[in-house]
Amino acid sequence: DQQVKQNSPSLSVQEGRISILNCDYTNSMFDYFLWYKKYPAEGPTFLISISSIKDKNEDGRFTVFLNKSAKHLSLHIVPSQPGDSAVYFCAASGAGGTSYGKLTFGQGTILTVHP
Amino acid sequence: EPEVTQTPSHQVTQMGQEVILRCVPISNHLYFYWYRQILGQKVEFLVSFYNNEISEKSEIFDDQFSVERPDGSNFTLKIRSTKLEDSAMYFCASSEWLAGGHYEQYFGPGTRLTVT
Repeated sequence: DQQVKQNSPSLSVQEGRISILNCDYTNSMFDYFLWYKKYPAEGPTFLISISSIKDKNEDGRFTVFLNKSAKHLSLHIVPSQPGDSAVYFCAASGAGGTSYGKLTFGQGTILTVHP
Repeated sequence: EPEVTQTPSHQVTQMGQEVILRCVPISNHLYFYWYRQILGQKVEFLVSFYNNEISEKSEIFDDQFSVERPDGSNFTLKIRSTKLEDSAMYFCASSEWLAGGHYEQYFGPGTRLTVT
């Protein structure tokens, strides 16, 4: 199942700089996208989401951009902090009336922020 | 801040045994989910549950799996006869009423199931 793909297994960034995590999807029925952060031995923690009717959503240091024509979304973290080091998952869901919120996840990207 | 809780944190069982994984979703949430993550693989959807019945299930969720909300707070996943390939991290999640919109799902810390 490759409907949601994160092609970069890892990303290393200097503290204070921007982190950009990318995600591609193939299913045009997806209309809601989420980013989760996961530390080892913990469950995924919700970060930010975006509906397909928008192209940008911002929450503090986190901004998600959606390009529907390219079926691509990205998460920007500015400025990056060492505590942001974790695995970041992109997830997508279809219309609520048909899929009841089932999330399809990408493989994850390991972000390391160096002091 | 409300959170999803899961017990036990780690369960070791022998192949062929039944296991029950327990979850307490966030109290005002109405949709409940189980996901699993086999080591080194993606987080995979298993089942969604609303109004005391399964809303959707994946191909993984075969007759060996069942879910139940036995009371007003707990949500359980039962595997009747465990197989080695059931070894994984199992995550419970919950979300608010969807009503044609979308709400983020909140995940519990997971139960690590090891089948020997």
